[in-house]
Parts: sequence; C-alpha cells; structure tokens
Amino acid sequence: EAGVTQFPSHSVIEKGQTVTLRCDPISGHDNLYWYRRVMGKEIKFLLHFVKESKQDESGMPNNRFLAERTGGTYSTLKVQPAELEDSGVYFCASSQGGTVFNSPLHFGNGTRLTVT
Amino acid sequence: GENVEQHPSTLSVQEGDSAVIKCTYSDSASNYFPWYKQELGKGPQLIIDIRSNVGEKKDQRIAVTLNKTAKHFSLHITETQPEDSAVYFCAASRGSGNTGKLIFGQGTTLQVKP
Repeated sequence: EAGVTQFPSHSVIEKGQTVTLRCDPISGHDNLYWYRRVMGKEIKFLLHFVKESKQDESGMPNNRFLAERTGGTYSTLKVQPAELEDSGVYFCASSQGGTVFNSPLHFGNGTRLTVT
Repeated sequence: GENVEQHPSTLSVQEGDSAVIKCTYSDSASNYFPWYKQELGKGPQLIIDIRSNVGEKKDQRIAVTLNKTAKHFSLHITETQPEDSAVYFCAASRGSGNTGKLIFGQGTTLQVKP
C-alpha cells in the first residue's frame, strides 16, 4: 500500500510569490488533514477534509492560505502571497472514515517551505 | 485554548538505558493520546496510542501511561537502541466524532549514544 505522498519535498520562494503544495492521500482514505511545523515548534493543525468537503478549517492562519480537494482525492494547499513567517514544514495526513480510535492518521514526509 | 506541553525538549541517553518523555494536556475532554516518532527526512509515524479508559499500554520496549486526573501522559522506552534516535511527539485529541484534529506537543529530540 502506497503511503501519503507530498510534492514537492522542498520549496524555496521569495516573499510575495505563490507556492502550491500537493498531497496524495492513501487510496480510499476519506479524511485528509494539513498540519504545519514552524521552526522547531509544535505541529499545528491547519484543516481537515472529509472527501471534498472542509470539515474543520479552524487552524488556517489567514486568507493567504487556500486548500482544495477537488473530487475528494488529492489536495492542494496554496499560499499566496507568501510571507517570511510561512516558512516551515507542511505535513499532510490521511485516515479512513470514522474516528481516530479506529482509524489513526498516516502522515506524509512533508514539504519544507522556505520563504526568503 | 487547547495545548499540550511536552518535556524535555532534548534527551540524551546511553544505549540500553531507559528514556521517559512527559506531556501535559489542557483540554479535559481529550480522550485519545497518540505518540509519534519522526525520523530525519520523514513524516511522523504512529508508534503507540492510548485511550482515556486505559491507564497503561505496552508494546514491546515502549509503554505509555496516562493519569487523567492530573492530565499527564508519558512515553517510556526501555533498553534504548541507536535506532530509537528521533524526534518524538505526543498529541491529544477528542476522539469522538468524525474528526482527527490532534493537538501536538513541541517534540522531544532523543539521542541514543552507542
């Protein structure tokens, strides 16, 4: 079974530019999450999709961040325009339907974003 | 708001020794507590989890304990090996409902010296 795949693994952009991160969840997983770890701090929740619907986007920092999951398969996270404080590692995770009790999260390897 | 405090931030032990990482959570409604191990260049991987109706859970060399009254939970690794070196994250979640939102601690970098 292929794991959660994220692309690119690294991205270096200048302040003001746009970057789009992609996540391919494990096949058949309805739940898809985006998390972010900034500069050695805790991993913070950004949002949660159930299929193509946003279930919880309470962690999205501001309107410069846009997440989509068209068709309920892969997801993209766009940052436009990027700011210095957006630098960090962006993780995607997926799980099957149901609760975390019986369907734990599987994380991808992350995208390291550096905004200069 | 909800938060999880994790200590220590770094931990260095000799191979064969035990390692203990402690976390404290603030949301009394949390009932699911997973631990993740992150190796260099990889994403966090679930190594063990515990639900609030259980006080302790073991899986070979790793164990997790939970004190709901004090809102503390801990990860214990015995007979540490160099391959245990990684960053470890604790997390807490309200497990009920169709949500997997995890509140993570700040992470502990564990170094096991051969």
